[in-house]
Amino acid sequence: QLQLQESGPGLVKPSETLSLTCTVSGGSISSSSYYWGWIRQPPGKGLEWIGNIYYSGSTYYNPSLQSRVTISVDTSKNQFSLKLSSVTAADTAVYYCAKQMTTVTIFDYWGQGTLVTVSS
Amino acid sequence: DIQMTQSPSSLSASVGDRVIITCRASQSIGSYLNWYQQKLGKAPQLLIYAASSLQSGVPSRVSGSGSGTDFTLTISSLQPEDFATYYCQQSYSTPYTFGQGTKLEIK
Repeated sequence: QLQLQESGPGLVKPSETLSLTCTVSGGSISSSSYYWGWIRQPPGKGLEWIGNIYYSGSTYYNPSLQSRVTISVDTSKNQFSLKLSSVTAADTAVYYCAKQMTTVTIFDYWGQGTLVTVSS
Repeated sequence: DIQMTQSPSSLSASVGDRVIITCRASQSIGSYLNWYQQKLGKAPQLLIYAASSLQSGVPSRVSGSGSGTDFTLTISSLQPEDFATYYCQQSYSTPYTFGQGTKLEIK
């Protein structure tokens, strides 16, 4: 059974960089059938797609965040990562990593999510 | 960006009721529409993909329909485990966007 697990600091100071890692178990991140993505949800609000990455390193970002976002992949560790720079309180959210099929663009496996709070 | 608008934003219903949630896209998206269920404190779970295809393991009382700009999610006979928040999501083009959510509450 495929599992995804987010990890990283739960508290980030304003203007600093948020860094999260998603560890994939029960399957290979190098599969040609999947993308690996990040989605966030501010407390009490809806879902926002941040971007995704293919095992080769090809990335797609939400234009609203593109100038601040970097998603990378480490196939040797079966992990992919998110960096979001110059954070503000508006970036406070639960961050989810998810597996996205390439044939049908669906997010069919999700991590449990991790709350990141931006505060001094 | 394609805007997704769900209605209603909240809905009260009883066990056994039939409920319909609608989702409208700001432009035609064909059948590139997915539905997710999210329970409090949990990650969303895929229910329906490609507008009407039932994800494996999802009960048959859940169904989806529509194409173009207008879509519906129907739960034919509500069960206690169905009370949650539901989101539609378009996969027609990036950035992938979600509706604002419909919270289904027990009456």
